[in-house]
Amino acid sequence: GNSVTQMEGPVTLSEEAFLTINCTYTATGYPSLFWYVQYPGEGLQLLLKATKADDKGSNKGFEATYRKETTSFHLEKGSVQVSDSAVYFCALSYTQTGANNLFFGTGTRLTVIP
Amino acid sequence: DTAVSQTPKYLVTQMGNDKSIKCEQNLGHDTMYWYKQDSKKFLKIMFSYNNKELIINETVPNRFSPKSPDKAHLNLHINSLELGDSAVYFCASSHPGQGYRELFFGEGSRLTVL
Repeated sequence: GNSVTQMEGPVTLSEEAFLTINCTYTATGYPSLFWYVQYPGEGLQLLLKATKADDKGSNKGFEATYRKETTSFHLEKGSVQVSDSAVYFCALSYTQTGANNLFFGTGTRLTVIP
Repeated sequence: DTAVSQTPKYLVTQMGNDKSIKCEQNLGHDTMYWYKQDSKKFLKIMFSYNNKELIINETVPNRFSPKSPDKAHLNLHINSLELGDSAVYFCASSHPGQGYRELFFGEGSRLTVL
């Protein structure tokens, strides 16, 4: 079956530190992979995505590479800011009877302190 | 204007009551979803409707009944509320079709059952 395992939080970093949030997956077939972000009091927003092996998704300084050999999609950012404080969700997608379905990890809370 | 809006944002009620959460999207999408986020931030799909037709119905108690009066609305009605129903419920929408289509989420409705 499909599953997503991501790094337990919470993660606390100082501003300008390097961020890595690990994500691994199991899936039948070839899913697409995503990182969603949930800022305080808001709904989830798509941060970046990769649809096939070796693709790199990037947005707002965040990057993640679809690694089929290690079934991973780790999120990285070289220098975090206080405004990056949020909960980050790794997800994979599979289609079911003509609709999308996203399978989410448990989320990792990031707090960036000045 | 909010793309995906849910009401109410907060709902506190007693066990055994019946309650509804409403969702509306103004993005012109054909497909809408309900997700449940538990206390550990785990997100799980409950239902998906495509153009008012139910297409995904995960293992959810039949006390939960989605209703889609038109493709811009997907309401969630819950009968005989239980303590375990306490969670944040997210509505989302997307275009339908093969392959992945980005999901747009509402801000969530926090349900607390006492």
